[in-house]
Amino acid sequence: GQNIDQPTEMTATEGAIVQINCTYQTSGFNGLFWYQQHAGEAPTFLSYNVLDGLEEKGRFSSFLSRSKGYSYLLLKELQMKDSASYLCAVMDSNYQLIWGAGTKLIIKP
Amino acid sequence: IAGITQAPTSQILAAGRRMTLRCTQDMRHNAMYWYRQDLGLGLRLIHYSNTAGTTGKGEVPDGYSVSRANTDDFPLTLASAVPSQTSVYFCASSDSDSNTGELFFGEGSRLTVL
Repeated sequence: GQNIDQPTEMTATEGAIVQINCTYQTSGFNGLFWYQQHAGEAPTFLSYNVLDGLEEKGRFSSFLSRSKGYSYLLLKELQMKDSASYLCAVMDSNYQLIWGAGTKLIIKP
Repeated sequence: IAGITQAPTSQILAAGRRMTLRCTQDMRHNAMYWYRQDLGLGLRLIHYSNTAGTTGKGEVPDGYSVSRANTDDFPLTLASAVPSQTSVYFCASSDSDSNTGELFFGEGSRLTVL
């Protein structure tokens, strides 16, 4: 079966760096996505990786290793507003998105 | 403001009743989707539409139906609601010509079936 694994919850301190991991087992691969979802709100797109390596976008970076079925989202200079759930999703060979359950990130002052 | 609009935002419904969740987008995206989100689970695809006039079943289609009469609208109907359909429902759209396939989500419809 297809599976996306990510930690349920993480805690970090304001101003620090946090890395949220995602491992996947899917039938085929056509890209990996990270979305941010604040409580009670809609998910919003953060990043897309289809090739191995690091994609940097401001304070957020996303890394992909297709051979290891692994990705991480790196958040630097954490701010209180980064408290949210972070959803990892993989597009399989049928171009369907398979979603992880999300990682709830709690930022403490 | 361009985007996706869902209605209602929240609804409490008696079991057995029929309910339609509305979804409208003004971005002229070809593809539209309905997901449900439940605590501890990833988003699960209910139905999708790659273009106006066509629809397909997702991972959890039973008890739900959709239609896509035009590009902008993609309503989701629960013919006879059951308590297990209590969830938050998200409508989303994407531009099939996009390099990333990024999804744009509506604000969600919280449905409680009693």
